[in-house]
Amino acid sequence: GNSVTQMEGPVTLSEEAFLTINCTYTATGYPSLFWYVQYPGEGLQLLLKATKADDKGSNKGFEATYRKETTSFHLEKGSVQVSDSAVYFCAFDSGNTPLVFGKGTRLSVIA
Amino acid sequence: AAGVIQSPRHLIKEKRETATLKCYPIPRHDTVYWYQQGPGQDPQFLISFYEKMQSDKGSIPDRFSAQQFSDYHSELNMSSLELGDSALYFCASSLRGQGDGQPQHFGDGTRLSIL
Repeated sequence: GNSVTQMEGPVTLSEEAFLTINCTYTATGYPSLFWYVQYPGEGLQLLLKATKADDKGSNKGFEATYRKETTSFHLEKGSVQVSDSAVYFCAFDSGNTPLVFGKGTRLSVIA
Repeated sequence: AAGVIQSPRHLIKEKRETATLKCYPIPRHDTVYWYQQGPGQDPQFLISFYEKMQSDKGSIPDRFSAQQFSDYHSELNMSSLELGDSALYFCASSLRGQGDGQPQHFGDGTRLSIL
């Protein structure tokens, strides 16, 4: 069935370190892929998206590339900040269907 | 820009009581989704509406019902509340009519606590 697998956390990094959060998906058809971020006590905010193979989504220094051949959508950032500490969710939909989420990865960035 | 508005932000109920959660989507968005997020969990889809008609149904208990009104706001009605219903309930909206790949925009959620 449809599912998202993302690396388990928590991930703890020092400020300015390089971040990668792996995400792979299992879906039928041609899903649209998303990364959402959830700060403590807040709702889910769309971070970036990609709607077709080889598309790169980017926002606030974060990037992810839609890799159909490996069914992956890994999140990267070259230099993390303390303010990036949050839970990151990888998700997809298949044509405006309800989102299927991964379990979330908690990121803690220390100064 | 206007966002998804949910009310109330916090709600405390006792077992077997009822609760109503409200959601006001982004203006002109035609689709509303409801999700439930337990502590430390990923959001789980409950139910959705497109143009005021039920669209998809997920893991929504029979004790819960929802509807979307003529002004596009939606309400999630929960009855015979159980301890396990304590969770964060999110509403999201999107503009499905614009085609595939439309992102869902989430509200800040309603935190429901059952005593």
